[in-house]
Amino acid sequence: SYVLTQPPSVSVAPGTTARIACGGQNIGDKSVHWYQQKPGQAPVLVISHDTDRPSGIPERFSGSNSGNTATLTVSRVEAGDEADYYCQVWDSSRDHWMFGGGTKLTVL
Amino acid sequence: EVQLVESGGGLVQPGGSLRLSCATSGFSFSFHYMDWVRQAPGKGLEWIGRIRNKANNYVAEYGASVKGRFSVSRDESKNVLYLEMNGLKSEDTAVYYCTRELAADGVFDYWGQGTLVTVSA
Repeated sequence: SYVLTQPPSVSVAPGTTARIACGGQNIGDKSVHWYQQKPGQAPVLVISHDTDRPSGIPERFSGSNSGNTATLTVSRVEAGDEADYYCQVWDSSRDHWMFGGGTKLTVL
Repeated sequence: EVQLVESGGGLVQPGGSLRLSCATSGFSFSFHYMDWVRQAPGKGLEWIGRIRNKANNYVAEYGASVKGRFSVSRDESKNVLYLEMNGLKSEDTAVYYCTRELAADGVFDYWGQGTLVTVSA
């Protein structure tokens, strides 16, 4: 079965850039979606199809995907960006959607 | 405004059954695939299953951990999504979210607020 690997945590100072990785074998051949989840709230879509940003999501959020790593980049990080972030892909070996384990973004 | 509102969660004994509902409004329910995603306390997201739309014969697909025990269905006349859960185990304890797929592409663009299911004796 397909395995998605995310670092458990990423910490950055306000105003700097946070990069959250999502690793998987040849993930560059898949379409990756990203979700933000704040405590006690439902997840919110922040990036779809590797790089597409839904309306209402700040331009500070961007995505990329190549080789064995997809990356969510948050520029000019703000305190309000502190949340858990999950990547998602289709696992064709099991015909189902799967999520990475999640990364907690901490704003120092 | 798109709205997804889950209900039906609660405390159930191991081996028991429960049916969750997700009332939807504000969009063309019949067009979209609909999914269930759960989150155990303090854990990450887990995809449970989905049901396709009428154009795709309402085919349902499930994650390995619930296949054979859970069933997803939909009522087009009421715009409601259901999750029938049987043979519940303690590891099924989680918040259950219903979600809308934007275009049958796994992009979950709207989520409900979630309903908590607790499986315990």
